[in-house]
This record gives sequence, structure tokens and C-alpha cells, in this order.
Amino acid sequence: DTAVSQTPKYLVTQMGNDKSIKCEQNLGHDTMYWYKQDSKKFLKIMFSYNNKELIINETVPNRFSPKSPDKAHLNLHINSLELGDSAVYFCASRSLSTEAFFGQGTRLTVV
Amino acid sequence: AQSVTQPDIHITVSEGASLELRCNYSYGATPYLFWYVQSPGQGLQLLLKYFSGDTLVQGIKGFEAEFKRSQSSFNLRKPSVHWSDAAEYFCAVGDRQYGNKLVFGAGTILRVKS
Repeated sequence: DTAVSQTPKYLVTQMGNDKSIKCEQNLGHDTMYWYKQDSKKFLKIMFSYNNKELIINETVPNRFSPKSPDKAHLNLHINSLELGDSAVYFCASRSLSTEAFFGQGTRLTVV
Repeated sequence: AQSVTQPDIHITVSEGASLELRCNYSYGATPYLFWYVQSPGQGLQLLLKYFSGDTLVQGIKGFEAEFKRSQSSFNLRKPSVHWSDAAEYFCAVGDRQYGNKLVFGAGTILRVKS
């Protein structure tokens, strides 16, 4: 039973397209995150949701729009994809008194 | 705002040698502290965590870390490294407040030579 699952695992798309990445957690956690890991492996927080409420939005272009239909899901929609958006995107979930559990990542390649 | 510094980008150790990976953090109070490991092409796996209590914490795969409040450090150690430990290691600091912000260091790549 996968705790944090994200789909798809790989995504190759052309510049200018719009794409979505989905994330679901079955741990009952209140908080979910999106992180971007660039080619230098640096993990940068993008968004944090707590009980469907946006808590953290870290200077991410407004082409990126997270959506949390319920506290078990946090999806990431990206408009007008650019070459610089190529990265691995990780979803994670956490409660205040636990560690963060990560999905396996989505490798996005924009060509 | 909290931040994490991992001063070593790469470390190479011989198999069987001891290991210490450094981590310093900046946070207004006592944070939650974590070490994660990432193998190539994989997600992040938790090695160990510190929330409160004993400042020396034990983790999986024979790793341990010590929280030193006076030095704002949470260094990761292993007495004898195995070739399978080669990976990238991330230290992270978690917010105890509402918002649960979790910030990562830049990572340290561990290479193990036989």
C-alpha cells in the first residue's frame, strides 16, 4: 500500500503545453507539499497545503497552480510549460509530529 | 526563516571507514530535524529524526545523529560505511508551528571507494 503516490512518474511534453501532476496520500496527514528538485539536486519547496488551505507559496511563477480537492489530494497544474520547468517534482505529506513522506517523484522534461 | 547548511557537497570515504556528514541549521527555536537519503533516480527515504528528548538518535542502516543545540548542528554519523551507502544525503529542518514548513539543505553526495 503506497503511502504517497504521484502520477505520472515520467512526463515529456513540448514547450507551451499545459500539464498536471496528481498526488494522493493515504496516511491521514494534514499537510501536503510540492517540491521541485532541479538538476543540481536541490530540493526547493514550492507549496504547502494544510487541510486544503494554502499555507506556503514560495515565489513560484503563477503558471504553477496547486489544487487540493480534499486533504488527501494535492495536484499541481502547470500552464505554458517552459524549458526551465524541467525537473523532478516531489509530493510529500506530513503531520506536525511526524516526518514527511515522499512520493517517488515525477520527472518532467520539457522539449 | 529557517535554513539548513550542508557545507560538504561531496565526500568520499573508503568502505569500512567511519563517516560524518555535517548539518547546521538556523531556526528561532528548537526545530524538528531530519536526515533523508536519496539513491539515484529514487525518492527520499527517512534515515532518522529528532523531535525531542535524547539528543543522540538512532536511525536505519546503522546511522545515528546528534543534536547539539549550542552549535545548531545535527551531524549524521556511521561507524563503518558500506558500498551500498553511496547516495545523496539531505538534512532538513521542520517547523513546529502551524504551516509545517520543511526546508532542506543542498545535500551531500557520498561516494564509497573499495
